[in-house]
Amino acid sequence: NAGVMQNPRHLVRRRGQEARLRCSPVKGHSHVYWYRQLPEEGLKFMVYLQKENIIDESGMPKERFSAEFPKEGPSILRIQQVVRGDSAAYFCASSPPGQGNTEAFFGQGTRLTVV
Amino acid sequence: AQSVTQLGSHVSVSEGALVLLRCNYSSSVPPYLFWYVQYPNQGLQLLLKYTSAATLVKGINGFEAEFKKSETSFHLTKPSAHMSDAAEYFCAVSDSNYQLIWGAGTKLIIKP
Repeated sequence: NAGVMQNPRHLVRRRGQEARLRCSPVKGHSHVYWYRQLPEEGLKFMVYLQKENIIDESGMPKERFSAEFPKEGPSILRIQQVVRGDSAAYFCASSPPGQGNTEAFFGQGTRLTVV
Repeated sequence: AQSVTQLGSHVSVSEGALVLLRCNYSSSVPPYLFWYVQYPNQGLQLLLKYTSAATLVKGINGFEAEFKKSETSFHLTKPSAHMSDAAEYFCAVSDSNYQLIWGAGTKLIIKP
């Protein structure tokens, strides 16, 4: 009865490298949400995905960030050419169809540090 | 646009004392409201949620919150603080059926 699994838990990247964050939703959940938490701030919505579809990416930075949720496998949040300002905790949540955020479960997050 | 304000980035109470964490929101539509707890280096755990049913919502670990529309508030309370309650608490409001708008969080410190 696994919950939302995110890996890695901690990720260190040098400026200019790529960061790939993975999120495996709760079994049976087809909706995934990514949030970013900057130090001393609350979470900010980034993107909402369903299997093979991006539903709302209004919170994603226009450049360097992308997300996918393929038919098979985990959801991936990809950050290209990372900069120091990308250092944050990235949380993934999942929910079953039709439940939206009233039944969303969160993972433990990936803490990205850019050096 | 919806927003959430949590009054006090840090709240300190003595063990056994009342816990009161404040949350005010703005919303143009009837909101869904949530409280989450985050322990150090952990994920977010749902404490309780208001989804337009009873205005007094009971959650896990002895916490409860009351939705007051006239005051646009959803304050979190617990009658008697325990050392294990030390964590960061986030209030969130929903502006759709999927996107959560979050407060900046309140760190709860429990004094022995």
